Amino acid sequence: QLQLQESGPGLVKPSETLSVTCTVSGDSISTPDYYWGWIRQTPGKGPEWIGSIYFSGRAHYNPSLKSRLIISIDRSKNQFSLRLTSVTAADSALYYCARQSEVEIDYWGQGTLVTVSS
Amino acid sequence: EIMMTQSPATLSVSPGERVTLSCRASQTVANSLAWYQQKPGQAPRVLIYGASTRATGIPARFSGSGSGTEFTLTISSLQSEDFAVYYCQQYNNWPSLTFGGGTKVEIK
Repeated sequence: QLQLQESGPGLVKPSETLSVTCTVSGDSISTPDYYWGWIRQTPGKGPEWIGSIYFSGRAHYNPSLKSRLIISIDRSKNQFSLRLTSVTAADSALYYCARQSEVEIDYWGQGTLVTVSS
Repeated sequence: EIMMTQSPATLSVSPGERVTLSCRASQTVANSLAWYQQKPGQAPRVLIYGASTRATGIPARFSGSGSGTEFTLTISSLQSEDFAVYYCQQYNNWPSLTFGGGTKVEIK
């Protein structure tokens, strides 16, 4: 059974960098059939796609976040990671990692809550 | 960027009733449209992809229709476990995605 588990800082200061890692178990992250994605959500709002990465390292980013965002993959550890720089309170959210097929997001992590505050 | 608009924001329904949720795209997404259900404290769960194909394990009371810019999710007879928030999501430029703002289905 595939499982995804996010690990993050919980609290980040404004203007600093947010880093979250997703550890995948139950399958190899090197499969060519899927992208691995990051999605965030604030209470009462719809999810927001942040970006996705392929096992080759090719990444796609939400245009609204692209200038502050890097998504990377570590196939040896079966992990992928998110780095978001210059954070503000607007970046406070529940951050999910997920597996994307061509037509659906079929597996999600449980989410990690990140709060941006001094 | 393609924007997704869902209506209504909230729907008050009694168990057993038929429910119809709407989703509109700001430009055509062909049939690259999925529906998700989210319950409190849980991640979203896919119900429908390809506008009308039920995902694995999804009951037949859930059905999707539409193409282009107008889409509908129908629950034929609402069960107690169906009270949740429903999101549409387009993937016309996969892996880029856009979600709608959601429709909350609550008990009348």
